[in-house]
Amino acid sequence: DAKTTQPPSMDCAEGRAANLPCNHSTISGNEYVYWYRQIHSQGPQYIIHGLKNNETNEMASLIITEDRKSSTLILPHATLRDTAVYYCIVARPGTYKYIFGTGTRLKVLA
Amino acid sequence: NAGVMQNPRHLVRRRGQEARLRCSPMKGHSHVYWYRQLPEEGLKFMVYLQKENIIDESGMPKERFSAEFPKEGPSILRIQQVVRGDSAAYFCASSPRSDLAGASSYNEQFFGPGTRLTVL
Repeated sequence: DAKTTQPPSMDCAEGRAANLPCNHSTISGNEYVYWYRQIHSQGPQYIIHGLKNNETNEMASLIITEDRKSSTLILPHATLRDTAVYYCIVARPGTYKYIFGTGTRLKVLA
Repeated sequence: NAGVMQNPRHLVRRRGQEARLRCSPMKGHSHVYWYRQLPEEGLKFMVYLQKENIIDESGMPKERFSAEFPKEGPSILRIQQVVRGDSAAYFCASSPRSDLAGASSYNEQFFGPGTRLTVL
């Protein structure tokens, strides 16, 4: 499965959009991009996933570049409860061994 | 519909003792995955089980660690003769069906709250 690179930490003001980037330059054609987050002392929580088109759900939007080498998770109006570590994972649809890197520690500031 | 349940949430053991971690998957889920998270690191896959079968234990240390998912009851991750390096958070996840190769769609894993093991 492709390796991902994320910035170790980011700050975001409450109410503003949080844009979390992820590089996955070695992604292959059938690999999806998944995002999870882990709020302190809890298990990871699924956020969103996509293959090539941009995706949106009630939690976030996922923007994938045309060459699929990078993506951005957007939390449109960050709240204090969005403070967490965000993990970007790329994997084939048949995989079950999710590879979590060290993620991006997002701190939402009041 | 209760989520994935793990117990205990915190477990303290002395070196050489045994640790037993339990995971009850979500209702209707027959696939269980165990991950370990060391401090300041991401989760690392350990083992994948279906009812009464170990499908993939490639991420589990060969010695002292074992896992089971019996026909009845929770999945158990067992660590014998614990050492300080076993101190970590252990997370269980479940899914309703297999993610084996050939699947055409994403199959979300639902994670439990974890068990934090401290070895003194």
